Amino acid sequence: GDSVTQMEGPVTLSEEAFLTINCTYTATGYPSLFWYVQYPGEGLQLLLKATKADDKGSNKGFEATYRKETTSFHLEKGSVQVSDSAVYFCALNHRGGNTPLVFGKGTRLSVIA
Amino acid sequence: GAVVSQHPSWVICKSGTSVKIECRSLDFQATTMFWYRQFPKQSLMLMATSNEGSKATYEQGVEKDKFLINHASLTLSTLTVTSAHPEDSSFYICSARAGQGAEQYFGPGTRLTVT
Repeated sequence: GDSVTQMEGPVTLSEEAFLTINCTYTATGYPSLFWYVQYPGEGLQLLLKATKADDKGSNKGFEATYRKETTSFHLEKGSVQVSDSAVYFCALNHRGGNTPLVFGKGTRLSVIA
Repeated sequence: GAVVSQHPSWVICKSGTSVKIECRSLDFQATTMFWYRQFPKQSLMLMATSNEGSKATYEQGVEKDKFLINHASLTLSTLTVTSAHPEDSSFYICSARAGQGAEQYFGPGTRLTVT
């Protein structure tokens, strides 16, 4: 079945450092890919998404590119802030279908001033 | 964007009692709602999928008699944890979708503690 693998956390960075969180997937066909963010004590918010190969999703300085050849969707940000501290989830689902999102295990990011 | 609410945001109950959690789509009609469970520092585990007006479909290993799900209207789904035990303590998150292929929107979650 479909699955998502994320790099293990936690990740601790200093403010203004470069962030990469790796995500790879296994799926049939051509899924849509997502990054969700969960701030402490809150639910999940969609951060960005990409629906086809070579698409780049971007939001709030974060970006990720759908790489079909490597089945990856790595999350990057050039300069993190303390307010970016949260848990980040990579996810996929199949376009047009009624199946729920499949999530990775999440990566906790802590940014220190 | 679309808003999904959950009530209560946290609840403490005694072992053996039942607890109901509500999930509402506030500004759209949700034909499908999903219930997830999240353990500390872990990912979301899908418990069940419910379509308005029909019985929920439970994931393997989830006790349907323990976790009762009702999706009686296009804006409301409820999860009732029956005869709760301490091992049911967890963070429960609902998600709603307006239709096939539509985006999933998440509620803020409900923290259940069973003493």
